[in-house]
Amino acid sequence: QSALTQPPSASGSPGQSVTISCTGSNSDVGAYDYVSWYQKHPGKAPKLMIYEVTKRPSGVPDRFSGSKSGSTASLTVSGLKAEDEAEYYCSSYAGNNKYVLFGGGTKVTVL
Amino acid sequence: EVRLVESGGGLVQPGGSLRLSCTASGFTFMRYALSWVRQAPGKGLEWVSVETGNGDTTHYADSVKGRFTISRDKSNSTLYLRMTSLRAEDTALYYCAKHKGGGTYNFDSWGQGTLVTVSS
Repeated sequence: QSALTQPPSASGSPGQSVTISCTGSNSDVGAYDYVSWYQKHPGKAPKLMIYEVTKRPSGVPDRFSGSKSGSTASLTVSGLKAEDEAEYYCSSYAGNNKYVLFGGGTKVTVL
Repeated sequence: EVRLVESGGGLVQPGGSLRLSCTASGFTFMRYALSWVRQAPGKGLEWVSVETGNGDTTHYADSVKGRFTISRDKSNSTLYLRMTSLRAEDTALYYCAKHKGGGTYNFDSWGQGTLVTVSS
């Protein structure tokens, strides 16, 4: 069982939006603005999509956005494209004891 | 261009040891924290260990504390993970990951991983 909770799956049609939640506690997601999101295609290395809750690395489309409310963070993918079909993982800093926690991953399917 | 290349994985018996390596290029090696992150077959990502850029601080996941040791060699820009007392549950693809910057807890570059299989 992962420390951060994500729904196992989410889906949407091309052009639609999908939002993935990531629920932690007041010791990790709720305590720090160090939530990140990664996209992972099968057989490929993870790719950083969002960091520090809302920031996008250079080269990541603005269709990807992040937010946080309390101990729950969210990733929204707008204008879904076929290439967005992948597993998405959230992570959060959790203090020097646990350091970084990951969610269990959410499989996004583009219908 | 940042490049991270892992090596050293393989098949090892329970209780055995293994040392993973991650050769880095394309950035100032001692300036960035580096972590190991693993993914067991069919499972999600799990952070394993980190060493800060100047090498003075390390952290470990509870699942590997006391069994794994992270270190780096500045002379050849290589990060290591010494794994001992290996268990079946340590079977995973092990990634080397570079932190985005000082005081950050996200990973902006990853290697392709090296597979560790613990089995008799």
